[in-house]
Amino acid sequence: GQQVMQIPQYQHVQEGEDFTTYCNSSTTLSNIQWYKQRPGGHPVFLIQLVKSGEVKKQKRLTFQFGEAKKNSSLHITATQTTDVGTYFCAGPIIQGAQKLVFGQGTRLTINP
Amino acid sequence: GAGVSQSPSNKVTEKGKDVELRCDPISGHTALYWYRQSLGQGLEFLIYFQGNSAPDKSGLPSDRFSAERTGGSVSTLTIQRTQQEDSAVYLCASSLGQARAFFGQGTRLTVV
Repeated sequence: GQQVMQIPQYQHVQEGEDFTTYCNSSTTLSNIQWYKQRPGGHPVFLIQLVKSGEVKKQKRLTFQFGEAKKNSSLHITATQTTDVGTYFCAGPIIQGAQKLVFGQGTRLTINP
Repeated sequence: GAGVSQSPSNKVTEKGKDVELRCDPISGHTALYWYRQSLGQGLEFLIYFQGNSAPDKSGLPSDRFSAERTGGSVSTLTIQRTQQEDSAVYLCASSLGQARAFFGQGTRLTVV
């Protein structure tokens, strides 16, 4: 079935290193959303991308939406300990009904 | 309300007992989702509501799990004859269509 796949599942970096997580869909998405879940917390919306090839930045975070609108990435430059958490992508996909489908997330841990 | 509200925040129950988890979504949000998250894991989709109907129940793990939504608002997830493997955090989210999802704080269920 149509899925949203995210890699890697886990990533451990030294503080100051960069980090990237990738999201892929088997079908074209009308939009892609990114969420962050801090340890012990709940997922919180970060951003939504809508246009083909769109790039958005939030301080050290850069979000990209692929030209075919099937993939997306989140890149963090010079990680800080506050970046620790799990990052999820989500897209509206038809699975029986059209609903928001989340990837499995990338769990980022950072060595200070 | 101001956000998605879930109750109780914590629930400890004995194996074999039934439990009811409540989700009060943001007023006006048509879509409502239930997810389950085990420690350190991703979001396991359970069920999706559009209004009062559930077009996608594919994630419910067994017939011990059921959910309903009344008045296009409050939803209740019921787990009958709880088992230890049901222990997890149960997260509810709501959205307006396929727009950004807002998550509740979750209910931490422990089956002893």
